[in-house]
Amino acid sequence: GAVVSQHPSWVICKSGTSVKIECRSLDFQATTMFWYRQFPKQSLMLMATSNEGSKATYEQGVEKDKFLINHASLTLSTLTVTSAHPEDSSFYICSARGDRAFGGELFFGEGSRLTVL
Amino acid sequence: DQQVKQNSPSLSVQEGRISILNCDYTNSMFDYFLWYKKYPAEGPTFLISISSIKDKNEDGRFTVFLNKSAKHLSLHIVPSQPGDSAVYFCAASGKGGSEKLVFGKGTKLTVNP
Repeated sequence: GAVVSQHPSWVICKSGTSVKIECRSLDFQATTMFWYRQFPKQSLMLMATSNEGSKATYEQGVEKDKFLINHASLTLSTLTVTSAHPEDSSFYICSARGDRAFGGELFFGEGSRLTVL
Repeated sequence: DQQVKQNSPSLSVQEGRISILNCDYTNSMFDYFLWYKKYPAEGPTFLISISSIKDKNEDGRFTVFLNKSAKHLSLHIVPSQPGDSAVYFCAASGKGGSEKLVFGKGTKLTVNP
């Protein structure tokens, strides 16, 4: 199957700083990428849909100014957590929809664990 | 309002036996269903899917059954292996899978040797 890579896989930062997480589709072009957040023992919650070359579509309750999403190319989407606070500590996962060669299937990254001190 | 429900947070089975993981949904617009397996600190990996035009899909040891009238699907793993121990997420989507996925809360499966 296709490969989606996230970086960094683990990040610790101080409260008030900003953190950028990258999501790359390594062997296919993804016009659409999705960002999820998972709290301990809870489901994956969709935060936003990222479309290449246009603004992201945020789910209800997700602050677009706090979670900045940029999908500048067909293989890269970034999530920036601005002015991070301890309550932003979570596991962030991206997914990318494969192109026709992969039947439009959804592939997930390995996830990025953010800890805000 | 939870549209996809996995009511069992955990399940424990013996190696070699059948594991049955259940999932219920409420949105009648869902027409594509998927199961993902997830290890701690990793992203989910796709296991198997089923379209609403089918009631069964099989792939090796994994079989997914769909009961549209009951809005219920289940994942059967036979025979279960210790390496199957993980959290299993049920997900649903509309428009043949092209819409966003809605996930259940997951069921933690433990297969005992």
